[in-house]
Amino acid sequence: TQLLEQSPQFLSIQEGENLTVYCNSSSVFSSLQWYRQEPGEGPVLLVTVVTGGEVKKLKRLTFQFGDARKDSSLHITAAQPGDTGLYLCAGGRPGTYKYIFGTGTRLKVLA
Amino acid sequence: DAGVIQSPRHEVTEMGQEVTLRCKPISGHNSLFWYRQTMMRGLELLIYFNNNVPIDDSGMPEDRFSAKMPNASFSTLKIQPSEPRDSAVYFCASSFNRDQPQHFGDGTRLSIL
Repeated sequence: TQLLEQSPQFLSIQEGENLTVYCNSSSVFSSLQWYRQEPGEGPVLLVTVVTGGEVKKLKRLTFQFGDARKDSSLHITAAQPGDTGLYLCAGGRPGTYKYIFGTGTRLKVLA
Repeated sequence: DAGVIQSPRHEVTEMGQEVTLRCKPISGHNSLFWYRQTMMRGLELLIYFNNNVPIDDSGMPEDRFSAKMPNASFSTLKIQPSEPRDSAVYFCASSFNRDQPQHFGDGTRLSIL
């Protein structure tokens, strides 16, 4: 059972554009992580958000955890070709160490 | 610092053969995770070790899969006999403890013909 739905699945944009990726669930999570994965490599953790409504910024990336801790978004400002990759969200199950991964959003930023 | 090291990077074998995937976690990390990634199912947790002891193997698909961690610096995931539906990228990840961020290796791309 896939508990985390990410949208869009694929996104191709021009350099300089802004974009938002969504991660949605009907389940409540204790925390939410975002990863970026490049071809031939493992996922690399970008951020962890733990409080409902929390917003974190990492340079041009802004991450938000929904108030009810069921969803999250990732906004990229002025995308660059180096942002190209597979973006994965992962929800932490309350009371456990386990993270459930979404199916990912594959982003391609064209120069 | 060396990250999580997995070998081999690619494995192609015929169905029915035994496959062994290897992982060296980051030194000092006491938690180790094995994941499988496919287009259809995404990234799934197979098994979790803490201090070399298997804590949760509920994600292991069936008895054909087994994992061991004989010491703090080495783990294996074995599939015997292998089947075409086992084709996937298998990742190993380690963390300082189970609540700390996980560091992933670069994976083993497994193709079962």
